[in-house]
Amino acid sequence: TQLLEQSPQFLSIQEGENLTVYCNSSSVFSSLQWYRQEPGEGPVLLVTVVTGGEVKKLKRLTFQFGDARKDSSLHITAAQTGDTGLYLCAGIRAYNTDKLIFGTGTRLQVFP
Amino acid sequence: NAGVTQTPKFRVLKTGQSMTLLCAQDMNHEYMYWYRQDPGMGLRLIHYSVGEGTTAKGEVPDGYNVSRLKKQNFLLGLESAAPSQTSVYFCASTHNPRQGVFYEQYFGPGTRLTVT
Repeated sequence: TQLLEQSPQFLSIQEGENLTVYCNSSSVFSSLQWYRQEPGEGPVLLVTVVTGGEVKKLKRLTFQFGDARKDSSLHITAAQTGDTGLYLCAGIRAYNTDKLIFGTGTRLQVFP
Repeated sequence: NAGVTQTPKFRVLKTGQSMTLLCAQDMNHEYMYWYRQDPGMGLRLIHYSVGEGTTAKGEVPDGYNVSRLKKQNFLLGLESAAPSQTSVYFCASTHNPRQGVFYEQYFGPGTRLTVT
């Protein structure tokens, strides 16, 4: 079983719609990162959240770290075709900061 | 500045053959990682290294070996390829974490491996 579960696995929406992607775990993480991956490329970091309850905004993207540091969400407002890609959350455990644990991924397709 | 590069980009192997994937980074990063990516499973860590001459097992190390003889290079070897190792392989690097803060991982473009 994957330590970090993302939902939904797939999302297909029209341009202009809003969406939320969830990243859930039963374990506590000291911090959490979100990456976006485009076809044929490696993932690229979007944001790092480190404090329980923290909210970070990156233009139309809003990231939240759960109060208990077990979950996170990514909300996109007024999606654009350029938002299309695979979104990955990745957590860092407090007792092992050498590596990331990646979530299962959410594949987003935004149609014009 | 090339960042993280991987060779080769594509490879087809027959069952039982061996090969080595090369990862190189020019950012003077201490930490390097090898992941495999399969549909619906995100990225799974195979092996990683926290410095030249060190290696450690990740989540799915069986069937793979690694070496970090130089700081800038991290090699992933498959001694006897199996169809279950068909996947896309990504290398990544980062600075060592300080005070619990994990820095951005920089990824290579990936190697698509098919084992028949």
